[in-house]
Amino acid sequence: GAVVSQHPSRVICKSGTSVKIECRSLDFQATTMFWYRQFPKQSLMLMATSNEGSKATYEQGVEKDKFLINHASLTLSTLTVTSAHPEDSSFYICSAAGGGTNEKLFFGSGTQLSVL
Amino acid sequence: TQLLEQSPQFLSIQEGENLTVYCNSSSVFSSLQWYRQEPGEGPVLLVTVVTGGEVKKLKRLTFQFGDARKDSSLHITAAQPGDTGLYLCAASNGGFKTIFGAGTRLFVKA
Repeated sequence: GAVVSQHPSRVICKSGTSVKIECRSLDFQATTMFWYRQFPKQSLMLMATSNEGSKATYEQGVEKDKFLINHASLTLSTLTVTSAHPEDSSFYICSAAGGGTNEKLFFGSGTQLSVL
Repeated sequence: TQLLEQSPQFLSIQEGENLTVYCNSSSVFSSLQWYRQEPGEGPVLLVTVVTGGEVKKLKRLTFQFGDARKDSSLHITAAQPGDTGLYLCAASNGGFKTIFGAGTRLFVKA
């Protein structure tokens, strides 16, 4: 089945630094990818829709200048958390639609970000 | 704003018991999905339902989509410790933009 690879799986950074998270569709092309964040014991909250070759669409309340999304190719979307602060610590998950004629949404394994 | 209300939020049962998790909304959706998520991992799709009244079975798991396509249920028969995890309902309308319910954390004791 289709596989979505997310890297890194875990990152610890100092407050004020920027962190980049990559989301790759390994065996299919994804014109659209999604980014979610998940706080402990809570559900997934959609942050933005990443569109290949165009600007991302952000959900209400999500700062686009803080969470930079780039979808430069059909297999790669990146989320950069800029000037990270402790409150940005969370589990970030990407997903991509693929699977040919039987398209489904496939999720990456997530990135645990801890900002000190 | 479309919301999915999931209940119960937490369930602790003994091995062999049955359970049902509910997912309700005031909105109509074209499809609804159930996922299971393990700690530190992304959610894994269990099933997608698209037709009102549809019932799907996956071994001991039975999924039902309401006639009006606003609600769904997940029933587990004879729960096992391996069923422990976070169960999420999710829904979308004609595309892949998906919203998630709050999740049900299931713990099955041996």
